[in-house]
Amino acid sequence: QQQVKQSPQSLIVQKGGISIINCAYENTAFDYFPWYQQFPGKGPALLIAIRPDVSEKKEGRFTISFNKSAKQFSLHIMDSQPGDSATYFCAASKRFSGGGADGLTFGKGTHLIIQP
Amino acid sequence: DGGITQSPKYLFRKEGQNVTLSCEQNLNHDAMYWYRQDPGQGLRLIYYSQIVNDFQKGDIAEGYSVSREKKESFPLTVTSAQKNPTAFYLCASSSGLPSEQYFGPGTRLTVT
Repeated sequence: QQQVKQSPQSLIVQKGGISIINCAYENTAFDYFPWYQQFPGKGPALLIAIRPDVSEKKEGRFTISFNKSAKQFSLHIMDSQPGDSATYFCAASKRFSGGGADGLTFGKGTHLIIQP
Repeated sequence: DGGITQSPKYLFRKEGQNVTLSCEQNLNHDAMYWYRQDPGQGLRLIYYSQIVNDFQKGDIAEGYSVSREKKESFPLTVTSAQKNPTAFYLCASSSGLPSEQYFGPGTRLTVT
């Protein structure tokens, strides 16, 4: 059972356009939703993250939109650049009752290509 | 430089052999994690540890073992019982609160 579903699998966007990647989750216990960026052969790098008490978070050209009732969240990359070409993963986690966080549950990733 | 070190970058083993992957962090993080990544797949959690001398199984722990004797180190052993061990293995750490996880550069294991 895949707990975090990510779409699309691949995406091609023109330079300067908006890239949009969507994720949906099933487990209502999830309370932390990060996005990671991964270049080939490298480890993922944390891009931006949101908690369910806010509906939107913006950091530079990257924005997360969060819809708690629909159990969906999305990443928007504004003014997309060729250097943004990478694989993007959404993820989710929940806290232990003791306050620590357990591991992340990842979506399967979106391969983003920004055409010059 | 603070960060997470994984060694080696590439590892080759024969089928039937156990192999241990190294993960070290100098971020003073309490929690450490191991993930496996296969082509076209997201990362899947193998094991994690919130504190020294304690660890929990993740979603795909079968055929793997870990230890956490020091805060800085969380080695992963891929045993001969793991049916499909060839993959990209990623180690991560976090301070726990907030739960942002930071990843190492990964080890690509090939078993033939």
